[in-house]
Amino acid sequence: GESVGLHLPTLSVQEGDNSIINCAYSNSASDYFIWYKQESGKGPQFIIDIRSNMDKRQGQRVTVLLNKTVKHLSLQIAATQPGDSAVYFCAENPPNSGNTPLVFGKGTRLSVIA
Amino acid sequence: DGGITQSPKYLFRKEGQNVTLSCEQNLNHDAMYWYRQDPGQGLRLIYYSQIVNDFQKGDIAEGYSVSREKKESFPLTVTSAQKNPTAFYLCASSISATEKLFFGSGTQLSVL
Repeated sequence: GESVGLHLPTLSVQEGDNSIINCAYSNSASDYFIWYKQESGKGPQFIIDIRSNMDKRQGQRVTVLLNKTVKHLSLQIAATQPGDSAVYFCAENPPNSGNTPLVFGKGTRLSVIA
Repeated sequence: DGGITQSPKYLFRKEGQNVTLSCEQNLNHDAMYWYRQDPGQGLRLIYYSQIVNDFQKGDIAEGYSVSREKKESFPLTVTSAQKNPTAFYLCASSISATEKLFFGSGTQLSVL
């Protein structure tokens, strides 16, 4: 089964506020994590990734935080805009995977209230 | 869509019919994947291929078949054995199986 999960299946935020989407993983040896954004009727788009030798990585309006102590990953979106409304998936690279694919979480739907 | 093209965008299948979904990439990626997504659900892996002429079953391979005769192409056939084929099908590729995936725009398959 999947080792990647999400704390909140849906999240509603006011436009302009910051959003935080969370993801838990079960295997402390996972070494690579990715966040994807999927808009309705489209394929997932890569947002940002982080490797286990880092705690934080920033992109344009997005920040990914990795807390290896509690096996937690989060995606922070600054000044959330209506265009950020989508489903967000986290994915991990299982350890000793023998080149098996990334494991995806079930997703969180972000709704931005104008 | 990062150089990955899926066709058609919409596809309809009749009872007992096999249908083939196309996936082509020009990213020179070795690995390619097929996922199924049901409404409001996550991604479930059907098949993946790490190299030409080789592929492995994913979590829900029953009722599906694939081929990987060319690096650029990874078509998925939904056979008549798949009794509940209605879903959104996503193709993806990556440099290797442990690197980030780039997804196509998807094919919505429905049953007539």
